[in-house]
Amino acid sequence: GDSVTQMEGPVTLSEEAFLTINCTYTATGYPSLFWYVQYPGEGLQLLLKATKADDKGSNKGFEATYRKETTSFHLEKGSVQVSDSAVYFCALSDPNAGKSTFGDGTTLTVKP
Amino acid sequence: NAGVTQTPKFRILKIGQSMTLQCTQDMNHNYMYWYRQDPGMGLKLIYYSVGAGITDKGEVPNGYNVSRSTTEDFPLRLELAAPSQTSVYFCASSYGGQGWNEQFFGPGTRLTVL
Repeated sequence: GDSVTQMEGPVTLSEEAFLTINCTYTATGYPSLFWYVQYPGEGLQLLLKATKADDKGSNKGFEATYRKETTSFHLEKGSVQVSDSAVYFCALSDPNAGKSTFGDGTTLTVKP
Repeated sequence: NAGVTQTPKFRILKIGQSMTLQCTQDMNHNYMYWYRQDPGMGLKLIYYSVGAGITDKGEVPNGYNVSRSTTEDFPLRLELAAPSQTSVYFCASSYGGQGWNEQFFGPGTRLTVL
């Protein structure tokens, strides 16, 4: 079945540091890929998505590129802020079904 | 739009008690989902629905039941609560089943079974 593997956390960075959170996936078809963010005490919300190979999703300074050849969708940001502290989830969605598969989440803490 | 709303926000149950977690969405979404999130873990799909009157099991359905009588509501029923059901429960919805549809999440219900 489908699966998503995320870089284990927690990740602690200083403000303005470069962020990479690795995500790889296994899927039988050609899934869409997502990054969701969860702030403390809240539900998940979509951060960015990519629906086909070589697409780049971007939002709020975060970027991720759909790499079919390496089955990866790594999240990057050039300069993190304290307000980026949250849990980040990589997810895939089967194009022919209504379900998504989520990674275990990576906790990011950014210190001033 | 309120989006996806869940009640209650917190609940403590005793072993063997039952309860219903409520979920409502006002976006006219066809698909709705129930997940549980255990500490430090990802989301596990409990049940999902592709429209009113249609539900299906996810990865971890045992101990839970659902119904979908309207497009807006998707309640989750816990019968005979057990400590293993201590978790945070999230309801979500999406417009359709296409892979590119994002899911919209509620704020969650934190359940403790003692």
